[in-house]
Amino acid sequence: NAGVTQTPKFQVLKTGQSMTLQCAQDMNHNSMYWYRQDPGMGLRLIYYSASEGTTDKGEVPNGYNVSRLNKREFSLRLESAAPSQTSVYFCASSLMVEQPQHFGDGTRLSIL
Amino acid sequence: EDQVTQSPEALRLQEGESSSLNCSYTVSGLRGLFWYRQDPGKGPEFLFTLYSAGEEKEKERLKATLTKKESFLHITAPKPEDSATYLCAVHPNTGGFKTIFGAGTRLFVKA
Repeated sequence: NAGVTQTPKFQVLKTGQSMTLQCAQDMNHNSMYWYRQDPGMGLRLIYYSASEGTTDKGEVPNGYNVSRLNKREFSLRLESAAPSQTSVYFCASSLMVEQPQHFGDGTRLSIL
Repeated sequence: EDQVTQSPEALRLQEGESSSLNCSYTVSGLRGLFWYRQDPGKGPEFLFTLYSAGEEKEKERLKATLTKKESFLHITAPKPEDSATYLCAVHPNTGGFKTIFGAGTRLFVKA
């Protein structure tokens, strides 16, 4: 039982490059989320998808886009990476919005 | 402004030395408060959900409690394997979905 799977686990980009982070869950959850985690700060919500076909902005959406490809998959895209986007990115899912969330193991992204 | 503050930032205990972690929150109504455990290099793992003041939940050596302004995670007779970062998250009662995480408490338990 894989739970929430994120790819890649590590990535280094140059400023201005684009990239898509992939996330898939196998728990038949309706809601999915993207967070970033920075040292000394709590997890911050970037975007979420309450159900298949819907996406909404979270606390820090600028510079990111998302796609809920189907019920299982939720991707995060950086169109033009900036050093301020260096962070650890976590994808999570839950049965419904506001239910306990299950997290992947993160993507460690460095932008030079 | 909605806010979640966890204290202390770091806590060092000897094996068997019980203690508590604090999560203080200032939100416009509470839909739910969640505790997670995060090991290095891993994503957070769900521990407890609390919904109303006075509620308590227990799991092995951990017990979570909730008041109107804060939550405590009590650790009884901790073991080295309890070493991790413990995160508190709050879902405030807003018009849409919102989640606010605290910065976490790093717990070190020495044998």
